[in-house]
Amino acid sequence: GAGVSQSPSNKVTEKGKDVELRCDPISGHTALYWYRQSLGQGLEFLIYFQGNSAPDKSGLPSDRFSAERTGGSVSTLTIQRTQQEDSAVYLCASSPLRETGVVKLFFGSGTQLSVL
Amino acid sequence: DQQVKQNSPSLSVQEGRISILNCDYTNSMFDYFLWYKKYPAEGPTFLISISSIKDKNEDGRFTVFLNKSAKHLSLHIVPSQPGDSAVYFCAALRRDDKIIFGKGTRLHILP
Repeated sequence: GAGVSQSPSNKVTEKGKDVELRCDPISGHTALYWYRQSLGQGLEFLIYFQGNSAPDKSGLPSDRFSAERTGGSVSTLTIQRTQQEDSAVYLCASSPLRETGVVKLFFGSGTQLSVL
Repeated sequence: DQQVKQNSPSLSVQEGRISILNCDYTNSMFDYFLWYKKYPAEGPTFLISISSIKDKNEDGRFTVFLNKSAKHLSLHIVPSQPGDSAVYFCAALRRDDKIIFGKGTRLHILP
């Protein structure tokens, strides 16, 4: 079966432009997570979805960031008026329903965003 | 407020020896702790987990130890192999399913 798919794999944009990053989770996975990794940094939590709702949006860095998930499947992370500090690898992960206690995340390969 | 801390940015270990990666946490409300491994240009992959009610979990060459009183966990890799060279992330799972990651430790296995 297919893994988590993210598109585009690379995105170069000019400061001030809007960008949309897409994540296709593994089919049947109920939870979807967004993280970002800036150069030399760890994985910074952004937001996660249970189904289509986002119980915790506390990680979104500013109101320029938003995310949605439709049909319990595809998710889009939108960054408006991009700034150079938004440059990072944006990682998406999905997980099946938490039944046995632990949540195991399956990550995509990420979108490398470069803001010039 | 960094809830999961990996204080060693990098670690070098001779092939065949034991690699020990450390992680500290500040919140007692975590249900599980997890380790992920990441190669360049790839997403992290799950390695091993431990429940907060256990103190040890073993899977092949990988063992995770949890010391709740010290709020500390460690990942042991024995014996270390060249393919183990990667960045290792410690993560903690909250009861609301939020997962917090540390900054990672880059492990170099020396020939």
